[in-house]
Amino acid sequence: DAGITQSPRYKITETGRQVTLMCHQTWSHSYMFWYRQDLGHGLRLIYYSAAADITDKGEVPDGYVVSRSKTENFPLTLESATRSQTSVYFCASSDPASYNEQFFGPGTRLTVL
Amino acid sequence: GDSVTQMEGPVTLSEEAFLTINCTYTATGYPSLFWYVQYPGEGLQLLLKATKADDKGSNKGFEATYRKETTSFHLEKGSVQVSDSAVYFCALTNFNKFYFGSGTKLNVKP
Repeated sequence: DAGITQSPRYKITETGRQVTLMCHQTWSHSYMFWYRQDLGHGLRLIYYSAAADITDKGEVPDGYVVSRSKTENFPLTLESATRSQTSVYFCASSDPASYNEQFFGPGTRLTVL
Repeated sequence: GDSVTQMEGPVTLSEEAFLTINCTYTATGYPSLFWYVQYPGEGLQLLLKATKADDKGSNKGFEATYRKETTSFHLEKGSVQVSDSAVYFCALTNFNKFYFGSGTKLNVKP
């Protein structure tokens, strides 16, 4: 499928477990982003990547790890999940040649018990 | 640093009413400006954009004009529909960094 996809769409896990959220885009956009969305906080940037093997912290990176070995994939890992990481996670991609318009995935709803 | 401020919601309107959602920004240089819409249970979708001063972005009856003198990018629609009920985000990009406003929830009643 063309576009940007996220998996899984829904995930329930327990405190202390490792969880990986996947993001895949088919446009070969250089930039990719991870956001979390919580009621009352809008969108908060977790990590972003300007290209393969280049990643940088956003506003709320603690407790998260990212990697980008291929341009099209940008997985987000919660190394030891906590209840405060219960949220909806959105992946996005953008192309600087198109004024950095961001394209968003459908989101992953993560619940940490 | 760069930032986006938009009016708090929720905004509740009757169908066919006029909509304005205010958005102002702080940025150096020449940012590009966007409005995104998020329908319940979905990701954000681009609604419209403007890439330079005095540009007007428009889509689905929504409009916004890039006003550099007032650092604003207010979203307007002449006649809202129930189907416009959603959360609207103002955003800017500058030097490959992206900044979102906090979102404004719009409820349109029949």
